[in-house]
Amino acid sequence: GQQVMQIPQYQHVQEGEDFTTYCNSSTTLSNIQWYKQRPGGHPVFLIQLVKSGEVKKQKRLTFQFGEAKKNSSLHITATQTTDVGTYFCAGKDSSYKLIFGSGTRLLVRP
Amino acid sequence: SQTIHQWPATLVQPVGSPLSLECTVEGTSNPNLYWYRQAAGRGLQLLFYSVGIGQISSEVPQNLSASRPQDRQFILSSKKLLLSDSGFYLCAWRQGETQYFGPGTRLLVL
Repeated sequence: GQQVMQIPQYQHVQEGEDFTTYCNSSTTLSNIQWYKQRPGGHPVFLIQLVKSGEVKKQKRLTFQFGEAKKNSSLHITATQTTDVGTYFCAGKDSSYKLIFGSGTRLLVRP
Repeated sequence: SQTIHQWPATLVQPVGSPLSLECTVEGTSNPNLYWYRQAAGRGLQLLFYSVGIGQISSEVPQNLSASRPQDRQFILSSKKLLLSDSGFYLCAWRQGETQYFGPGTRLLVL
């Protein structure tokens, strides 16, 4: 079945440093989504990428979708303590299901 | 606007006891609904999804079951809880390609 792998599992950075998490799918995706889960909270939708090679930005966050539509990345520039949480990618094929990656937990030292 | 409710927020149950978790959605009709489980520090595991009343698809065979007695109500049940059923249970509904999560129920089985 379809699998979505996400690395790294954890990332501990100093405030102000950059952060990147990577997502790889075993199959071609129709779209990929990113979610953020704050400690103790529930996942919240951040963004969706649909087109091959698409790049979207949200303030300090940059999201990319690979040319083959099988991988994606989220890059945060100059992390802040408010960025703490777990970031999940979720890939969608033609079904009703989203397949979530295992998540990257970001810790930021002030 | 659409909202999604889950209750209870937290639950502590003994091994072998029954379980019933409820999820309701407001502000939309005929939503696709999902149950996920998240073990501590882990990713999201899809348990069940439903595209309509009485229509349930199971993703992982286990001692849990789901029902959808009404359009905007989704229930997760078990006849006998296991220790391994502990986790964070999240209900979600789908709008377009995006999933929106409820606040979740934290279940601890002792």
